[in-house]
Amino acid sequence: LQMQESGPGLVKPSETLSVTCSVAGASIGSISSYWGWIRQSPGKGLEWVGSVFYNGSTYSNPSLKRRVTISRDLSKNHFSLNLHSVTVADTAVYFCAGDQYSSSWWVSWGQGTLVTVSS
Amino acid sequence: DIVLTQYPGTLSSSPGERVTLACRASESLSGNFVAWYQLSPGQAPRLLIYAASRRAAGVPDKFSGSGSGTDFTLTIARLEPEDFAVYYCQHYGGSPLFTFGQGTKVDVK
Repeated sequence: LQMQESGPGLVKPSETLSVTCSVAGASIGSISSYWGWIRQSPGKGLEWVGSVFYNGSTYSNPSLKRRVTISRDLSKNHFSLNLHSVTVADTAVYFCAGDQYSSSWWVSWGQGTLVTVSS
Repeated sequence: DIVLTQYPGTLSSSPGERVTLACRASESLSGNFVAWYQLSPGQAPRLLIYAASRRAAGVPDKFSGSGSGTDFTLTIARLEPEDFAVYYCQHYGGSPLFTFGQGTKVDVK
């Protein structure tokens, strides 16, 4: 299973951050599969952002105050994160992660993509 | 919210040594939902341990996990150069759905 993030690199404050994760080696729609986003701000630890189940159900971290939208494209086998109304505090490396069978931990990870929020 | 506190923040050790990293939860957890990860610069994070004590596929047996209730540990039996990294514990369940500790950095003494 391989995962690869892609993103804009730079986003302006108040705009929407959009990153996409392309998955190879598994279908993101396969039963029991679970996919998500975790971020790491500079000098800080890991923070769960949100997740999407194989059936399309989504969950997000309440600390992000409903700014998170996670969507998926089964035909392209990728899923995306939109984080709205960003501030400099949203500057981070965004990792996508997932697994075909478990929803309790993150088996496979991408390398991460750095997104900087700056004017 | 569940808070995971990892200690020490930094652990300075030498190759060949045995180290134990701790993760303490603010309330009792089901060990079935505790995992450990390794983060090395420039690399994708790596799942080491899941369900508190089960090694993930391909993880060498020098890594072991244990614990229950509020206290969980990750032990590295013999440090090798590639093991100098940052380690995170993680819990699934509650709000937020996934909680990570703040990390323990294992560096060279």
